[in-house]
Amino acid sequence: DAGVTQSPTHLIKTRGQQVTLRCSPKSGHDTVSWYQQALGQGPQFIFQYYEEEERQRGNFPDRFSGHQFPNYSSELNVNALLLGDSALYLCASSFPEAGQWGGYTFGSGTRLTVV
Amino acid sequence: GNSVTQMEGPVTLSEEAFLTINCTYTATGYPSLFWYVQYPGEGLQLLLKATKADDKGSNKGFEATYRKETTSFHLEKGSVQVSDSAVYFCALIVGYSTLTFGKGTMLLVSP
Repeated sequence: DAGVTQSPTHLIKTRGQQVTLRCSPKSGHDTVSWYQQALGQGPQFIFQYYEEEERQRGNFPDRFSGHQFPNYSSELNVNALLLGDSALYLCASSFPEAGQWGGYTFGSGTRLTVV
Repeated sequence: GNSVTQMEGPVTLSEEAFLTINCTYTATGYPSLFWYVQYPGEGLQLLLKATKADDKGSNKGFEATYRKETTSFHLEKGSVQVSDSAVYFCALIVGYSTLTFGKGTMLLVSP
């Protein structure tokens, strides 16, 4: 049973560029959440998608946007990259009501470096 | 708002030593509490959870008790192994909100 798959695993971009990160949820899960984990910090919630719509959003600027496809996979887009966007980006999938019971499955993340 | 505070690391122990990682929280509402573990190069894995006061979560020899009176959820293990070396995150959820994490505590266990 495949877990959460993220691609790419590593990425280097230049300031001002745009980036797209991808996530395939665990089989049977229909909700996808994205987190940003800066070095030495805990993951910070970016947004959550369910039924192809953004359901919740954390305290991130509009440069961060996302999308969910009919097959439940998701993309995270970041425009006008800043050095401070360098981080590990984690995707987590779940059922909508399972989150409160810790029912999230995390991917291994995409390491984004902005130079 | 919701927040989680963990003791800073790294915590360095010898194999078979006793482990405690402190975690306290503030929450608007009644939270569920979790410990996640992150091994090098991997994503987060749920280690244990507790959903109401006085519940004890346990897994792989790790334990944590939900203490509402002290707003704490300290992680303990009686005898650590080298394979326990990882970063440990305390986290909470209130209702249908999303996970709020602490900053993480790195554990290094030497033979």
